[in-house]
Amino acid sequence: NAGVMQNPRHLVRRRGQEARLRCSPMKGHSHVYWYRQLPEEGLKFMVYLQKENIIDESGMPKERFSAEFPKEGPSILRIQQVVRGDSAAYFCASSPGLEYGNEQFFGPGTRLTVL
Amino acid sequence: AQSVTQLGSHVSVSEGALVLLRCNYSSSVPPYLFWYVQYPNQGLQLLLKYTTGATLVKGINGFEAEFKKSETSFHLTKPSAHMSDAAEYFCAVSGVQGAQKLVFGQGTRLTINP
Repeated sequence: NAGVMQNPRHLVRRRGQEARLRCSPMKGHSHVYWYRQLPEEGLKFMVYLQKENIIDESGMPKERFSAEFPKEGPSILRIQQVVRGDSAAYFCASSPGLEYGNEQFFGPGTRLTVL
Repeated sequence: AQSVTQLGSHVSVSEGALVLLRCNYSSSVPPYLFWYVQYPNQGLQLLLKYTTGATLVKGINGFEAEFKKSETSFHLTKPSAHMSDAAEYFCAVSGVQGAQKLVFGQGTRLTINP
């Protein structure tokens, strides 16, 4: 069973460009979470999605950030008009659900650098 | 709101010595508790978790943690450190129903001295 997959692993963007980060959850997992890790900090929750639904977006910045988890295909975290402060590692996690003790399996992350 | 405090952003021990990483949480109801390890430029790997039942939880790589409700703590220990244990360790908490996000502490960087 393949783990959580994220691509790209490294992404470089210039200020003002768009960044698209992709996450394929583990097989059988219908819950996807996105976290951001700024340098020298812990992980901060951004958004929690189930297929075609955003369940909790309380950690998402109000502007420029959006997320989706379509019926088919990976989950996408989209950052429009990136700024230098968006430089961070973005991690995706998936879980089969709360009935399994809310254990979340993490991908290797996408490291975004904004020039 | 839930929160996690990890005491000590950096901990250094000698190889073979006891490892103790401290974690205290704040939650209005008994939560689920987790310890994750992160090696450089990698994702997070679950070491162990507490949901219900026995308060002493054993995990991978010889680590264990004890849930102490009265102290709101979930400290991570390992009797004898190995060089390969050098990494960043994160304590996390989540609710048991409703919101399922993980709330992480700021992390503790563990260094092992030969």
